[in-house]
Parts: sequence; structure tokens; C-alpha cells
Amino acid sequence: KAGVTQTPRYLIKTRGQQVTLSCSPISGHRSVSWYQQTPGQGLQFLFEYFSETQRNKGNFPGRFSGRQFSNSRSEMNVSTLELGDSALYLCASSSGVRTVTYEQYFGPGTRLTVT
Amino acid sequence: GQQLNQSPQSMFIQEGEDVSMNCTSSSIFNTWLWYKQDPGEGPVLLIALYKAGELTSNGRLTAQFGITRKDSFLNISASIPSDVGIYFCAGQLVGGGADGLTFGKGTHLIIQP
Repeated sequence: KAGVTQTPRYLIKTRGQQVTLSCSPISGHRSVSWYQQTPGQGLQFLFEYFSETQRNKGNFPGRFSGRQFSNSRSEMNVSTLELGDSALYLCASSSGVRTVTYEQYFGPGTRLTVT
Repeated sequence: GQQLNQSPQSMFIQEGEDVSMNCTSSSIFNTWLWYKQDPGEGPVLLIALYKAGELTSNGRLTAQFGITRKDSFLNISASIPSDVGIYFCAGQLVGGGADGLTFGKGTHLIIQP
């Protein structure tokens, strides 16, 4: 079974621009979560999507948004980029079934650098 | 948000030694997960724990869900060079998934030749 894939793997953007990152979950998984990883803050939860609906949201500004498509693929968007948005953005998928939902499987991440 | 205190921050050990790391919190968790992350890659799930007191092994790795539900530990026996990496604990808070998984800051394992 193929793992979680994320595209692109690396991205360089300029302050003020916007960016869209893509994630394809493991086949059959319906839940996709996004995390931001930085050396200072570690791994922080952004949001979770399940069946095309945002089910949970972390404590990030509205510039961070996401969506999920009917095939469970997900995208996240960051508008008006700031230098502090430079990070590794990780996507994780899980079955989404609430009784056994917390086993999340991560993709390799997208390394975003904002200059 | 909630915090997980993971220790130690880093470990310098000799190949063949046993390793122990732990996570504690002031909050109660209903799930504990342990991940390993290699440079340039995403975290890989090692062990998942769902019941207080549960002890689970995965090869040379053993993890336990603390009785109080506020802590967990991970042991690695007879370390080998490929064990090098950053180990993260992660927990899901009791009461729902509003915050997703909460992660510790990681334990950086370094094996000295």
C-alpha cells in the first residue's frame, strides 16, 4: 500500500505571496491532518479534515486554510506569507474512524522557505 | 495549548546500550503514540498505546501507557546505528480531538562509535 505523498517537497516563496501544498493520503484513509514543524516550536497541529469537512482546528491565524476533496486528497493554503511561516509542513492520514483514529501516518513533508 | 514534557532532550550512547525516554503531562491522555523521525523525512509511527497500564513491544522497542494516563515511556534495547534519529511522543487528550495530536519536543538519539 502506498504511503502518504506530499507535493512539492521543497518550495521557496517571497514574503507576501501565497502558497498551496498538496497531500494524498493512504488509500482508504478518510482523515487528513496538517502539522507545522519548526525547530523552535516543534510539531504543531494546524487542522484535520474528514469527509471534506474540517473536523478540528489548531491555534493558527486565518491565513492558514485547507480543504479536502471527495477522493480524500487535501490541500492547505497559506496566504500573505511571513518569514515565520518557514517550516516543514507535514500531512498525516488516518482511517478517521473515531475508535481507532489516532494512528496517524505522516508523509515526507514540504519544506517551505520564505525569503 | 497542552504541552508534553519529553526527556531527555538528547542522548549520547554507545552501540549496544539500552535507551529510555519518557513523556509527562499535567493533562490526561487517552492515547499515546511514539514516532521516530529521520532527517528530511516525516515521523514514522513506532508504537500506539490505548489503555492505561498497557505495555506494548515492537521488536527491540517497548512502550508503556502510564497508570495515571499522564505519562508514557519508550525503551530501546541493544541500540544499533540505525536507531539514530529524533523520537517524539504524541498524545490525544481526553475529551475529544479539538487539538489534534499534541507532540513532545523530541529526544535526539546519538550513537557514538
